[in-house]
Amino acid sequence: ETGVTQTPRHLVMGMTNKKSLKCEQHLGHNAMYWYKQSAKKPLELMFVYNFKEQTENNSVPSRFSPECPNSSHLFLHLHTLQPEDSALYLCASSRRGLAEKLLFGSGTQLSVL
Amino acid sequence: DQQVKQNSPSLSVQEGRISILNCDYTNSMFDYFLWYKKYPAEGPTFLISISSIKDKNEDGRFTVFLNKSAKHLSLHIVPSQPGDSAVYFCAATGNQAGTALIFGKGTTLSVSS
Repeated sequence: ETGVTQTPRHLVMGMTNKKSLKCEQHLGHNAMYWYKQSAKKPLELMFVYNFKEQTENNSVPSRFSPECPNSSHLFLHLHTLQPEDSALYLCASSRRGLAEKLLFGSGTQLSVL
Repeated sequence: DQQVKQNSPSLSVQEGRISILNCDYTNSMFDYFLWYKKYPAEGPTFLISISSIKDKNEDGRFTVFLNKSAKHLSLHIVPSQPGDSAVYFCAATGNQAGTALIFGKGTTLSVSS
């Protein structure tokens, strides 16, 4: 148990579907992150939330829409994705100002058909 | 442009020998460096870190070396064990509070018995 829980673990969706990825932690961390891991690429930072406020958006297409209703929960809403969006989506959390102490979830393996 | 580079996608080592994983970075503002380890179907887990005020940090079988002038760091694993077989990610962060980690592409280490 890593302390950061992601659901679902696997997801297959069509290009016209709408789905959401969920992440939660009850560690008292107040910063949460979405990373994307594609084959043969670095882990790419997508979004950062500090105290529920989005502080970074690394030029992510609008078909990815994050939501952070509170410091313990983070969502990634997906719609009209492309096959090249197939990847492992990782959620992480940390105490604000201690980004080096990232704790990752197990990820959601997404396949877009 | 990649700020953190791991130029070797894979490394094979025999059990008991030393594994050396390398990482280069381009951003001189980075001042904290980390190594994460990732097994299949799991999220990355923190392994060892080093601050830019040091040139070496040791934790059991794992030692990280930092050469700031060359913008290079390396992870040494001695002795290597089959359970060390995993993907190793190098990561870096800057001196601003809350700056998210920037990762390399990872190096897949295979330790054979």
